[in-house]
Amino acid sequence: SQTIHQWPATLVQPVGSPLSLECTVEGTSNPNLYWYRQAAGRGLQLLFYSVGIGQISSEVPQNLSASRPQDRQFILSSKKLLLSDSGFYLCAWRGGGGNYGYTFGSGTRLTVV
Amino acid sequence: AQSVTQLGSHVSVSEGALVLLRCNYSSSVPPYLFWYVQYPNQGLQLLLKYTSAATLVKGINGFEAEFKKSETSFHLTKPSAHMSDAAEYFCAVGRTGNTPLVFGKGTRLSVIA
Repeated sequence: SQTIHQWPATLVQPVGSPLSLECTVEGTSNPNLYWYRQAAGRGLQLLFYSVGIGQISSEVPQNLSASRPQDRQFILSSKKLLLSDSGFYLCAWRGGGGNYGYTFGSGTRLTVV
Repeated sequence: AQSVTQLGSHVSVSEGALVLLRCNYSSSVPPYLFWYVQYPNQGLQLLLKYTSAATLVKGINGFEAEFKKSETSFHLTKPSAHMSDAAEYFCAVGRTGNTPLVFGKGTRLSVIA
């Protein structure tokens, strides 16, 4: 069966520090991968998505970047965190066409202090 | 472009009462529609989905939703609320291909004993 792993679960980082959040999927190949952020009271914001290795689509210009170095690995990064980067980050994957829903990871709670 | 509107950011019901969470969508093509549930500090879990088969869709935990094309709606219902239903619920719309799902802003459901 397919599983998605996301870590760490919680993270407290100072302003100006770098960030690396990792997401991996098991049990499937060539998944579509997504990074979302939830800020308090603002719903789900799509940050990046990828349909293949090295293919990244950015939805919102900001202080973050994403990479997909392997088929089932999706990394969210920042060189210098801002206070506004705080939030709950969710990774998701989808296999197949548009009639397939997403499967979400358990999320990372990032607090920038 | 596709969009989703969830009416009511917060809905409160008594235990045993009917749950009705509203979702209206906008789509220029036949849509795929989804409902997700999120418990605190967790990822989103798929409740049910509509993919152009039966218009009444049954999901997990006793929830169901009806696709009404004439009303562009996909409201989520449950006949009798349980305390464990307290969570945030997201409606999403998608279409064929790799286009990411579009999520509503979410509705927080509270269940009162």
